[in-house]
Amino acid sequence: AQSVTQPDIHITVSEGASLELRCNYSYGATPYLFWYVQSPGQGLQLLLKYFSGDTLVQGIKGFEAEFKRSQSSFNLRKPSVHWSDAAEYFCAVGIGGSQGNLIFGKGTKLSVKP
Amino acid sequence: GAVVSQHPSWVICKSGTSVKIECRSLDFQATTMFWYRQFPKQSLMLMATSNEGSKATYEQGVEKDKFLINHASLTLSTLTVTSAHPEDSSFYICSASWGGAYEQYFGPGTRLTVT
Repeated sequence: AQSVTQPDIHITVSEGASLELRCNYSYGATPYLFWYVQSPGQGLQLLLKYFSGDTLVQGIKGFEAEFKRSQSSFNLRKPSVHWSDAAEYFCAVGIGGSQGNLIFGKGTKLSVKP
Repeated sequence: GAVVSQHPSWVICKSGTSVKIECRSLDFQATTMFWYRQFPKQSLMLMATSNEGSKATYEQGVEKDKFLINHASLTLSTLTVTSAHPEDSSFYICSASWGGAYEQYFGPGTRLTVT
């Protein structure tokens, strides 16, 4: 069955430090992969997505993610975290279908220390 | 662009009553809308997918008679929780798409509390 695992429930990093959020997926075919960010009172916002091609994907707000097929991973990274990055981050995999349905991980809450 | 709103943002209702949640695409026409449910510290679970003018497609395990979805126009979908029970308390999120696969834009969510 398709699934998405985000091993870290909560991560705290210092402002200016680098960040890596982990995501592993289970899917039989070539996956479509996504990272979303959810801030309180806001809808989920798409940070980046991978469909095919270059396995290092650049997104908004300085985020990037790397698809590693051998590890079934799609980890999100940012070289220098800002206080405004504090939010909940969700990894998702597209499971096909005409509508493009998504399966989400449980999310990782990011806290940023000043 | 691609803004999706939900109303209300939070609602409290008594057990046994029904409550309607609206999802609107404000600056685009949404051919498809999705409804999700999110439990605390859990992922978003897809409840149903609706296309304008068609009946919604419900995910396995979702009671279609309890969660009524109407997608009457290209900018509005509603989710009605009928005969609500405390276990229906949750965070409900909608998203809208204009047809591009996986191009979903999410609303801010509605917190439902059933007392």
